[in-house]
Amino acid sequence: NAGVTQTPKFRILKIGQSMTLQCTQDMNHNYMYWYRQDPGMGLKLIYYSVGAGITDKGEVPNGYNVSRSTTEDFPLRLELAAPSQTSVYFCASSYAAEAFFGQGTRLTVV
Amino acid sequence: ILNVEQSPQSLHVQEGDSTNFTCSFPSSNFYALHWYRWETAKSPEALFVMTLNGDEKKKGRISATLNTKEGYSYLYIKGSQPEDSATYLCARDNYGQNFVFGPGTRLSVLP
Repeated sequence: NAGVTQTPKFRILKIGQSMTLQCTQDMNHNYMYWYRQDPGMGLKLIYYSVGAGITDKGEVPNGYNVSRSTTEDFPLRLELAAPSQTSVYFCASSYAAEAFFGQGTRLTVV
Repeated sequence: ILNVEQSPQSLHVQEGDSTNFTCSFPSSNFYALHWYRWETAKSPEALFVMTLNGDEKKKGRISATLNTKEGYSYLYIKGSQPEDSATYLCARDNYGQNFVFGPGTRLSVLP
């Protein structure tokens, strides 16, 4: 089925480890986003991309990196995981009036 | 996979009009429903979190109701203003394990 696919669904990292959260969409959407949601808080924009080869910082980009080499893929990289990065991460894509979100990645840094 | 739907997909209203739109979701094993106001390339603003059947929440000119038995929530905006123009997202919270978002309703308020 068409949509936004995020992997993994769950991950536990040790402080200082690195990992990449994968996000793929097959709808040919130009806009893609990464958000984090902390308990009791709204979604915070980490990075976004308006098309292949273009990325921009959102509200909370520190500690993260992204790349957009293709329209379909928008991976989020954590280089040195910190406990403050424990959160649920959502990838999304959009076109015109519709937004599609992945099901989230629950990350715990211990 | 849960399916959260929103209607209409987009909506144009005149300034001062009141409007409403719908979020529908599977009613089984319901935990919570979230409404967000989202402007492109910004962080969605959390509007409401509702958990109980019959819940009604209000924030200024915006209010929402929840029916968990039949699986729907309405968002109302009274006296729409141009600054209300945004996409309104709902998301069903599946016991905090994952969120399933609807596609959003894009509202344009014309002056």
